[in-house]
Amino acid sequence: AQSVTQLDSQVPVFEEAPVELRCNYSSSVSVYLFWYVQYPNQGLQLLLKYLSGSTLVKGINGFEAEFNKSQTSFHLRKPSVHISDTAEYFCAANTGNQFYFGTGTSLTVIP
Amino acid sequence: GAVVSQHPSRVICKSGTSVKIECRSLDFQATTMFWYRQFPKKSLMLMATSNEGSKATYEQGVEKDKFLINHASLTLSTLTVTSAHPEDSSFYICSAERTGTGTFNEQFFGPGTRLTVL
Repeated sequence: AQSVTQLDSQVPVFEEAPVELRCNYSSSVSVYLFWYVQYPNQGLQLLLKYLSGSTLVKGINGFEAEFNKSQTSFHLRKPSVHISDTAEYFCAANTGNQFYFGTGTSLTVIP
Repeated sequence: GAVVSQHPSRVICKSGTSVKIECRSLDFQATTMFWYRQFPKKSLMLMATSNEGSKATYEQGVEKDKFLINHASLTLSTLTVTSAHPEDSSFYICSAERTGTGTFNEQFFGPGTRLTVL
């Protein structure tokens, strides 16, 4: 079975500081990887995705992630966070048609 | 970009009643749609896969007689929570799969429906 692990359930960070949200996946087959952001009482908004090609993926709002096959990781990074980045972030893997979601990381940006 | 809507966004109902939630792909056709439930701990759980014109495929542990899914057209899937109880209160999210040109069909998520059963 596939699984996605987000080790950090909560990440507080000061405004304008860098942040990394960790994600590891387990898959014995080719996998597509995603990061979604969810604001309170809203659906999921795609931040970025890795399907193939370059392992460094740039997304919206200044976020980027790097696919590391040897470490089975897809960590999300942003060099300088804003208050508006406070939200829930989900890592997800897709092996063709089904999504497997991590349990989410709550990012809180402190003024 | 592809847009998926859900209606209603919030619904409050009495225990024992049924509630229908609609999921629509607004600017593309979706042969396949998915229904998720998001628990208070925030993780999303796939409930079922809805295929246009055929019966839905339910994940293990999901009661198909309680969560009725109908995918009557290429742009609409509905989830009906029958005889709802307080433990059915949750955030329900749908996604619609858009056929791509490569090996991956991307999914687009709806904004979710908050169901509260009193």
